[in-house]
Amino acid sequence: GQQVMQIPQYQHVQEGEDFTTYCNSSTTLSNIQWYKQRPGGHPVFLIQLVKSGEVKKQKRLTFQFGEAKKNSSLHITATQTTDVGTYFCAGFGNQFYFGTGTSLTVIP
Amino acid sequence: EAEVAQSPRYKITEKSQAVAFWCDPISGHATLYWYRQILGQGPELLVQFQDESVVDDSQLPKDRFSAERLKGVDSTLKIQPAELGDSAMYLCASSLRGYEQYFGPGTRLTVT
Repeated sequence: GQQVMQIPQYQHVQEGEDFTTYCNSSTTLSNIQWYKQRPGGHPVFLIQLVKSGEVKKQKRLTFQFGEAKKNSSLHITATQTTDVGTYFCAGFGNQFYFGTGTSLTVIP
Repeated sequence: EAEVAQSPRYKITEKSQAVAFWCDPISGHATLYWYRQILGQGPELLVQFQDESVVDDSQLPKDRFSAERLKGVDSTLKIQPAELGDSAMYLCASSLRGYEQYFGPGTRLTVT
């Protein structure tokens, strides 16, 4: 069946360092969404990418959708303590699936 | 700002008992989703409604789980009988156009 894997599972960074999480699907996705879930909170929508090779930026966050529409990445420049949380990709292949998530810890 | 409402926020039940969760989506959102999230994992889609119709319930354990959205507005998810493995966070989300999903605070279920 369809699987959406994310690496790394956990990432600890010093405040100010960059952070990247990678999302890989076993099937082609029609679109990819990214969500952030703070500890104890619920997922919050960040962005959606639809086109092959699409790149979108939100302040310090850069999102990319792969050419084959099977992978995506989220890059955060100069992390801040407010970036702490778990980042999930999610997409629709034959069904809608969330990825396994990457938990980000930012050390002040 | 409009929010997705869920109740109860916490529920403790004994195994073999019945339990129900309620969700009220953002007004005007035709698409409603129920997810189960086990600690440390991503949300798993249980059922998706478009108005009052089920669009996808392929991951719903239908022998014990049921979901309804009778008037195409609020929704109820029921588990009967509950099992120890059902302990998880149950999240409801709604969407206006089937794109970005807005999540409620969730119901934390503990089965003892």
